[in-house]
Amino acid sequence: EAQVTQNPRYLITVTGKKLTVTCSQNMNHEYMSWYRQDPGLGLRQIYYSMNVEVTDKGDVPEGYKVSRKEKRNFPLILESPSPNQTSLYFCASSITGTPRTGELFFGEGSRLTVL
Amino acid sequence: GDSVTQMEGPVTLSEEAFLTINCTYTATGYPSLFWYVQYPGEGLQLLLKATKADDKGSNKGFEATYRKETTSFHLEKGSVQVSDSAVYFCALSGNNAGNMLTFGGGTRLMVKP
Repeated sequence: EAQVTQNPRYLITVTGKKLTVTCSQNMNHEYMSWYRQDPGLGLRQIYYSMNVEVTDKGDVPEGYKVSRKEKRNFPLILESPSPNQTSLYFCASSITGTPRTGELFFGEGSRLTVL
Repeated sequence: GDSVTQMEGPVTLSEEAFLTINCTYTATGYPSLFWYVQYPGEGLQLLLKATKADDKGSNKGFEATYRKETTSFHLEKGSVQVSDSAVYFCALSGNNAGNMLTFGGGTRLMVKP
């Protein structure tokens, strides 16, 4: 089954404790991206990757890191989480990073709470 | 920059009622327009899209027409069902290849039997 898998789905942590949210896709997609969803703000892009070893900042990259060492994986790293990073996070992938044509496939989301 | 504005929810309807969720956008050039749906506890799924002016996207009884003159892409359905209860996001494609989509704030739809 074609899918984007995120882990963990739910996490409660404390300020400053490093964490990683993993994302894996099995569709051989070139493009992957991370979004955060906050009430009334829709989804805002954090980072994206057009291909292996190619990553770039989205609209709200502060406090986050990513890496793309393999095509299928795109982990999101919070080196020192803060309460304002409490949010619902989505990983998404697409066969291409070209606007207009590429449909985004989303994972089920990871709800992160930082105390 | 690009932006998408949706009507605030929640929208509460009875089953078989007519649905309209308004969406307007601001963008340079000629964006493609999308509606995504998020069912409870799930990720977003593409519902429909339109890639040029006057195109109509449709799927599962939902429709939306790309109106360039009014910069709108309103979502409609003639007869909603309880199973349509979800959050609906309007989005547009950016001219930046890396930022695939700019999303609106989302509109929660609740359909009562």
